[in-house]
Amino acid sequence: EVHLVESGGGLVQPGGSLRLSCAASGFTFSNYEMNWVRQAPGKGLEWVAYISSSGNTRYYADSVKGRFTISTDNAKNSLYLQMNSLRAEDTAVYYCARIDYSRGWCVDYWGQGTLVTVSS
Amino acid sequence: DIQMTQSPSSLSASVGDRVTITCRASQSISTFLNWYQQKPGKAPKVLIYGASSLQSGVPSRFSGSGSGTDFTLTISSLQPEDFATYYCQQSYTTPPYTFGQGTKLEIK
Repeated sequence: EVHLVESGGGLVQPGGSLRLSCAASGFTFSNYEMNWVRQAPGKGLEWVAYISSSGNTRYYADSVKGRFTISTDNAKNSLYLQMNSLRAEDTAVYYCARIDYSRGWCVDYWGQGTLVTVSS
Repeated sequence: DIQMTQSPSSLSASVGDRVTITCRASQSISTFLNWYQQKPGKAPKVLIYGASSLQSGVPSRFSGSGSGTDFTLTISSLQPEDFATYYCQQSYTTPPYTFGQGTKLEIK
């Protein structure tokens, strides 16, 4: 069974940094493209970042470009999001999300989410 | 970037009603359109991928249609467990894989 478990969220001051992790299990992690998607309190879903299965191709939302870095460690079956220069508007639940290329690149599995709060 | 616009933003309906939610892309996305359902405090769940393909395990009362720029999600007969927020998402070519703003389906 596929499982995605995020960790690393918490309270951080504006301008600070945080590293989110997502532990994957139940599938061959190195074969899949992965996303981070976030949801601010009471708001809709916002796609944040993408990484290819090889790790060689990455894309970012304009709102986080230059501040966030997505990465993977296939030996640890893990996805990461390094978040620097955090702002109040980055406050959200962050979801790790697996992409299924065989189903039109939809997200077929999501983690439970980890809450990041940026506040002084 | 491709923008996705859903309508309506909210909708009140009764159990047994037929409901349609629409999603419009700012440019053609062929059939690279996905629909998700999200309940409060939970992660989203994919219902429809590729505009019209039903994800395994999803009840057949859910259906999707459309291509190009205009898409619809239809629930043929609302059940109590269907009251939730629904999002469309485009997955055309390269990211960003943008979402619509969501449609909150409430009990009338």
